[in-house]
Amino acid sequence: DGGITQSPKYLFRKEGQNVTLSCEQNLNHDAMYWYRQDPGQGLRLIYYSQIVNDFQKGDIAEGYSVSREKKESFPLTVTSAQKNPTAFYLCASTSTGWNEQFFGPGTRLTVL
Amino acid sequence: QKEVEQNSGPLSVPEGAIASLNCTYSDRVSQSFFWYRQYSGKSPELIMSIYSNGDKEDGRFTAQLNKASQYVSLLIRDSQPSDSATYLCAVLMNYGGSQGNLIFGKGTKLSVKP
Repeated sequence: DGGITQSPKYLFRKEGQNVTLSCEQNLNHDAMYWYRQDPGQGLRLIYYSQIVNDFQKGDIAEGYSVSREKKESFPLTVTSAQKNPTAFYLCASTSTGWNEQFFGPGTRLTVL
Repeated sequence: QKEVEQNSGPLSVPEGAIASLNCTYSDRVSQSFFWYRQYSGKSPELIMSIYSNGDKEDGRFTAQLNKASQYVSLLIRDSQPSDSATYLCAVLMNYGGSQGNLIFGKGTKLSVKP
């Protein structure tokens, strides 16, 4: 089945730890995105990548890092510099020339 | 400032009624508009996209776009309890990269009462 997978579904982080969220897609999409959603808020763009080995900061990139070494994979690292990381993290992808973004199931991160 | 505005609701309608969800956006040159449905605790699911002025129908859903008024709406006919969810309006705005990026509203929570 084609789609976007994210893991883990739930993640707990201690203060001062870095954690990495996985996002994989087998849709052959070129562009991939990471969003953060807080309760009662819209989605906010963290980072995006339109091509392998290239990525751009979104609106709230501070405290996060990404890599895009393979077309299918776009992992997000939440660093200890992110002061309020508890949120629902969503990965999305789209094909070049198309604007419709499709989302993975999300990872819910909680800081203990 | 790139903004997409939605009434947060909750919007409550009886089963079988028409639900009307509205969205305004700030960037007058935007060309692509989307409606996503998000059930509680789940990720957004794309239900409609619209690119031209006028109406676009897909089953019980109709998206309406008025670029002059910078307004896009979603009508749900014969509303069902299973339509109860938060509906996110998203607008493609050109603020980074060659492809532009989606700006999301905060969503309208719809509740359909049996």
